[in-house]
Amino acid sequence: QQQVKQSPQSLIVQKGGISIINCAYENTAFDYFPWYQQFPGKGPALLIAIRPDVSEKKEGRFTISFNKSAKQFSLHIMDSQPGDSATYFCAASKFRNSGNTPLVFGKGTRLSVIA
Amino acid sequence: KAGVTQTPRYLIKTRGQQVTLSCSPISGHRSVSWYQQTPGQGLQFLFEYFSETQRNKGNFPGRFSGRQFSNSRSEMNVSTLELGDSALYLCASNNGQSYGYTFGSGTRLTVV
Repeated sequence: QQQVKQSPQSLIVQKGGISIINCAYENTAFDYFPWYQQFPGKGPALLIAIRPDVSEKKEGRFTISFNKSAKQFSLHIMDSQPGDSATYFCAASKFRNSGNTPLVFGKGTRLSVIA
Repeated sequence: KAGVTQTPRYLIKTRGQQVTLSCSPISGHRSVSWYQQTPGQGLQFLFEYFSETQRNKGNFPGRFSGRQFSNSRSEMNVSTLELGDSALYLCASNNGQSYGYTFGSGTRLTVV
C-alpha cells in the first residue's frame, strides 16, 4: 500500500515558468512533510519542509502548500530555471519522543526546465 | 561540517556473494537510516539505528542486516546477493531529536 502518492511522474516546464508537483498521503498521523531534490549521482537533499500547523511555507522560489483536510501537499517552484532540473520527492513521517518514524517517499517527479 | 559519507561509491558483485556497505553520519548525529532506491520501487526504508540499537525496520528479507558502532558509524550487509538487489543504497543521518534527515551520495551496487 503506497502511503504517499506523487504526481506527475515527469514534468517539462519552460524557463521562467511555474513547476507544480502534487502529493497525497493516507496516514493522518503524519506530521512532517519534506520535499527532497535529487541530482543524478547524488543523494536526495532536503529542499523545504512543512508541519501541518501551517498551510503554506515559502523559501525563496520554493513554496509548499498544505491542505490538511484533503490530505494533500504540493511544491511550487516559481521562475523555474534549468538548474532546477532534477528529480523531486515528497515524503512524510511522524515525530515521536522515541524518534521519528521512517520517511515514506513518493515515487518522484523528474522535472526538466527547458530554455 | 562534513556531510554523510558512504563508502564505497560503486560496487559490482556476483550473485550469491555478500556485500558490506559503510556509512559515517554527520558528527553528533546518533541516528542512521538506510534506504534502497530503485527505478521501479523508488526509495524504500530498510532500517534505522540509534545509539547502536535497531529502532525501526522496513519490509525487507533477513538477507539485509545492519549494525551501528559506538561512534555512530553504521554498516549494512546483504548476504546471498540476487540480481534484484542492484540499487542505490542511501544512508541518512539525524540527530535523533529533530525532523531533518541528511542523505549521503549513496553506494551504487550492481549484482551480475
